[in-house]
Amino acid sequence: KAGVTQTPRYLIKTRGQQVTLSCSPISGHRSVSWYQQTPGQGLQFLFEYFSETQRNKGNFPGRFSGRQFSNSRSEMNVSTLELGDSALYLCASSPSRGANTGELFFGEGSRLTVL
Amino acid sequence: KQEVTQIPAALSVPEGENLVLNCSFTDSAIYNLQWFRQDPGKGLTSLLLIQSSQREQTSGRLNASLDKSSGRSTLYIAASQPGDSATYLCAVTSGSEKLVFGKGTKLTVNP
Repeated sequence: KAGVTQTPRYLIKTRGQQVTLSCSPISGHRSVSWYQQTPGQGLQFLFEYFSETQRNKGNFPGRFSGRQFSNSRSEMNVSTLELGDSALYLCASSPSRGANTGELFFGEGSRLTVL
Repeated sequence: KQEVTQIPAALSVPEGENLVLNCSFTDSAIYNLQWFRQDPGKGLTSLLLIQSSQREQTSGRLNASLDKSSGRSTLYIAASQPGDSATYLCAVTSGSEKLVFGKGTKLTVNP
């Protein structure tokens, strides 16, 4: 059974550009959540999608957005990149959500560097 | 607002030692608590998931306990090995349904 796949693994952008990251969950998983990991703030929740609907959102500016497709694949987009957006972006999938959230499976992450 | 704290931030032990990692959370109304392992530059690997109705879970040399009333969880690692060296994170899902992580404990097991 394939795990969670994130692409690209590494990317370098300059300030002001925008970036799109992709996440393919484990087959059959309908919940996809995104996290930002930085040395200073640790892991912070960005948003969660379930059945193509955003179910929850963390405390990030509107420059951070996402979506989920009918096949459960998800993308997140960051517009007008800032230096502080440099981070490891992690995606996780699970079969269900909320109070019924089971074990979470994480991808290897997308390492974004903003110059 | 749920806050998760992990102490210590770093821990270095000799191989073969049994050790305990601590995790505390401020809101005891949780759905579940998970322990993860993260190797440098990698994603997270789920180690143990404890539902709110459970007191502990075991997997191999790992045992995690949960005390909701006191807002604490511990991860016990028996007979530590150099391959156990990694950062260990705990995370809770509570009423907001957002997963909240601690900052992690960086474990080094010396041969």
